Amino acid sequence: AQRVTQPEKLLSVFKGAPVELKCNYSYSGSPELFWYVQYSRQRLQLLLRHISRESIKGFTADLNKGETSFHLKKPFAQEEDSAMYYCALKGSGGSNYKLTFGKGTLLTVNP
Amino acid sequence: NAGVTQTPKFQVLKTGQSMTLQCAQDMNHEYMSWYRQDPGMGLRLIHYSVGAGITDQGEVPNGYNVSRSTTEDFPLRLLSAAPSQTSVYFCASSRSGTNEQFFGPGTRLTVL
Repeated sequence: AQRVTQPEKLLSVFKGAPVELKCNYSYSGSPELFWYVQYSRQRLQLLLRHISRESIKGFTADLNKGETSFHLKKPFAQEEDSAMYYCALKGSGGSNYKLTFGKGTLLTVNP
Repeated sequence: NAGVTQTPKFQVLKTGQSMTLQCAQDMNHEYMSWYRQDPGMGLRLIHYSVGAGITDQGEVPNGYNVSRSTTEDFPLRLLSAAPSQTSVYFCASSRSGTNEQFFGPGTRLTVL
C-alpha cells in the first residue's frame, strides 16, 4: 500500500526565514511525487513535481529515495506563501487519477 | 476555458435526503476524479473515471455513486445523505499522459 505522511499539521515562520515542509512516503516501487498548494479561497493547484526538478515561486523539492522523503523547501519565506500544502504520490504503473495525498500542512508566514 | 466547474458551491441536507453534486470540465480530459477533504484527513479519493462509460471506486466509495455518460460531466450522487458525509468535495480532471490534476473550486456539503 502507498502512504504519504506529512508530520506537521501547522507550520509557522517569519517572513524571510527558511521554510521546510516535510513529506515522507511509503511505496515499494518507483513513485512520482508532487506538491499541491491551496491558497485561501482558491482551488487546489499543482505547485511542482519531482520529475521536472524545477523551482516554482522559489520552492524546490528533491526526491530522496534512501530516506523516502520529498521535502519542500524555500530559503526565504514570503507572506504570500501562506497556504495549505499537500504532498501527493502516484505509484508506478498507476495513472494520474489515483493520487494518494498526505493530510496537509498549513503554512503561516508572519510579517 | 472555464476549466473544472462544480455546482453547487454550498449545500445543506437533512439526513436521508439525496442529491447530486455536479462537475464539468471543458478541457477534453479523459480522467476525472472526486475527492473529499476533511480536517486532518487530507484529500481522499471517492470515485474516478478514465473515460466516458468507465468508472471505478477509490479509497472511500461507500455512500456515493457516479456515472460518466459524457467526457465533460462526472456527477457524484448521494443516495441517502448521512452526517458523516459532511465535507468539502473536490472534482478534478487530467489528461492522459500528464501528471497534473486540475481541481474545481469545491462544494461544501453539510448534512444535518
